[in-house]
Amino acid sequence: AQSVAQPEDQVNVAEGNPLTVKCTYSVSGNPYLFWYVQYPNRGLQFLLKYITGDNLVKGSYGFEAEFNKSQTSFHLKKPSALVSDSALYFCAVRVRFFLNNDMRFGAGTRLTVKP
Amino acid sequence: NAGVTQTPKFQVLKTGQSMTLQCAQDMNHNSMYWYRQDPGMGLRLIYYSASEGTTDKGEVPNGYNVSRLNKREFSLRLESAAPSQTSVYFCASSEGVGDTDTQYFGPGTRLTVL
Repeated sequence: AQSVAQPEDQVNVAEGNPLTVKCTYSVSGNPYLFWYVQYPNRGLQFLLKYITGDNLVKGSYGFEAEFNKSQTSFHLKKPSALVSDSALYFCAVRVRFFLNNDMRFGAGTRLTVKP
Repeated sequence: NAGVTQTPKFQVLKTGQSMTLQCAQDMNHNSMYWYRQDPGMGLRLIYYSASEGTTDKGEVPNGYNVSRLNKREFSLRLESAAPSQTSVYFCASSEGVGDTDTQYFGPGTRLTVL
């Protein structure tokens, strides 16, 4: 079955330090991977996606993610964290021809960036 | 460009009451979706509409009905609310249902069923 896992409920980093939010996936075909961010009392905002090609994907607000097929991972990274990056981050996966056309979301990782 | 809008923002219902959540998008997208978000579970798809005039079940459709009123609007109805339907509901839209299509989300409706 198609699934995605975010192994950390919470990630804490100091402002200015690099951040990583982890995501691993399990699919039977070629995955299409997405990262979304949710600020308090707001809907999800699209950050970036991996479709094909270069394994390093650059997205909004200075975020990037690296697709690693051998490790079935798609970790979200940023070289220098800001306090304003504090939010809930969701990884999601889609597989071609998956029934019901839905994206499978991870449970989310709460990122806290401390000044 | 408002994007995806949802009404109401908050709602409290008693068990057995009915209500309709409204969603509209102004991006001329073909596809629309309803998700629910529960703590520790991410988002789960309730129903989706690939295009105007079509609707299909998602992962958790029981207890819900939907209507794709026109290209812009997609409503979610709870006929007889249950406490298990207490959740945050998100509407989303995308150009199509292709696997690479990005979904854009509304601000959500927080529903409590007592």
